[in-house]
Amino acid sequence: GQNIDQPTEMTATEGAIVQINCTYQTSGFNGLFWYQQHAGEAPTFLSYNVLDGLEEKGRFSSFLSRSKGYSYLLLKELQMKDSASYLCAGGGSTLGRLYFGRGTQLTVWP
Amino acid sequence: DSGVTQTPKHLITATGQRVTLRCSPRSGDLSVYWYQQSLDQGLQFLIQYYNGEERAKGNILERFSAQQFPDLHSELNLSSLELGDSALYFCASSGGLAGDNEQFFGPGTRLTVL
Repeated sequence: GQNIDQPTEMTATEGAIVQINCTYQTSGFNGLFWYQQHAGEAPTFLSYNVLDGLEEKGRFSSFLSRSKGYSYLLLKELQMKDSASYLCAGGGSTLGRLYFGRGTQLTVWP
Repeated sequence: DSGVTQTPKHLITATGQRVTLRCSPRSGDLSVYWYQQSLDQGLQFLIQYYNGEERAKGNILERFSAQQFPDLHSELNLSSLELGDSALYFCASSGGLAGDNEQFFGPGTRLTVL
C-alpha cells in the first residue's frame, strides 16, 4: 500500500529546530521526497532520499529508514518564511508518480 | 520560477461545463504529470505522460482526459463538471520517466465550479 502519514500541524519559534516525521508502508516506495508548499503556491522540491541515512542541505536535512518506513525532515535556525506546508511523498519507482501525504502545516512564531 | 507554465491561473465555471487546462513543461523535460489538490484530499496524482505517451494513471475520473502533444505541452480536459471538481490543478515535469527524478511544479490552475 501507499499510506503516508505525517502530523497535520506543528508550531515552533524563530531560531528553533523542528523535526517533521513521515511514516509509510515499506512495500510502497523506493525513495522519499520532501516538498515545501506555501499557501496557494506550487510545491517546491527540498530533498530526495533513496538510501538510508541523513542527507544535509543547508538548514534542511532529511533522514530515511527504509526498513522502518520512516523519514523525517529537520529544519534548523527557523525563519518566519519557513511557515508553510511540508509534504512527504513516496516515489522512486520505475514510473515517476508521487504519492503525497496530506502535508504538515508548520507555523513559525517570532 | 520552476520553468513550468500553466494557463489559465484561475477558472470559474458552472456545473455540467467542460474546461481545458494547459501546461508547458520545462525546456527539455519529457515527462508531464497532472495532480489535483483539494482541501479534503491533499495532492493526488492523476496521470503521467512521457514523450507523448500515457505512462501511468492514478485517481483520474472517466470525465477527465489528458494528452501530450508533439511539442510536449499537455492539456487536461475536465467535462461534466461537478461542484466537487473545484480544486487546484498542478502540472509538473521532470527530465526522465523514472521516479527518482525531481519534479518541477507549475503555479497551478485554480478551478471553481459553481
